[in-house]
Amino acid sequence: GENVEQHPSTLSVQEGDSAVIKCTYSDSASNYFPWYKQELGKGPQLIIDIRSNVGEKKDQRIAVTLNKTAKHFSLHITETQPEDSAVYFCAAATAGGTSYGKLTFGQGTILTVHP
Amino acid sequence: DSGVTQTPKHLITATGQRVTLRCSPRSGDLSVYWYQQSLDQGLQFLIQYYNGEERAKGNILERFSAQQFPDLHSELNLSSLELGDSALYFCASSVVRTSGVGELFFGEGSRLTVL
Repeated sequence: GENVEQHPSTLSVQEGDSAVIKCTYSDSASNYFPWYKQELGKGPQLIIDIRSNVGEKKDQRIAVTLNKTAKHFSLHITETQPEDSAVYFCAAATAGGTSYGKLTFGQGTILTVHP
Repeated sequence: DSGVTQTPKHLITATGQRVTLRCSPRSGDLSVYWYQQSLDQGLQFLIQYYNGEERAKGNILERFSAQQFPDLHSELNLSSLELGDSALYFCASSVVRTSGVGELFFGEGSRLTVL
């Protein structure tokens, strides 16, 4: 089955700096890569996703890049703010077949943005 | 608010006992997923249902079982509980069908503590 590795496990930055979280996946059939943000006491929430036919996607201060050859994808957050502090999870899934949208998650990254 | 409702929010029980966790998906979502979140294991996929039928199984123990009812709500049953079962259990729902992938909407979780 799919295995997703996520690094770093913790990341501490100053407000205004950029933050980068990296993930690698094992299954070459994976073609959907979402990122979820989990705030304290809440469930994970989708912040951005990318499909394998696209190399990069941006949404305001958040961007995701995908390298299918190397099987890795990254989350980039620019101009970080204290409210970006949370746990971030990458995930992978395969569209097609009988996947029914099942996601395999990375271990998570605790991001702390210091004012 | 994701639209996914989980009850109870907190549950404290003793080893050897049995508990039932309940999930009501978003209106219209046919897929329900159960994930276990512990400090050292991240978000582990347990089981998935689509319109009442089991579609995928992950690392779910034999002591655990689940079902999805005709009204699409789902229950996760945990029996012969052990200390190591203490975790946050998330339910998520999605509109995706057989070959699709897309956003999972997570509830706020049920925190199980086994003493």
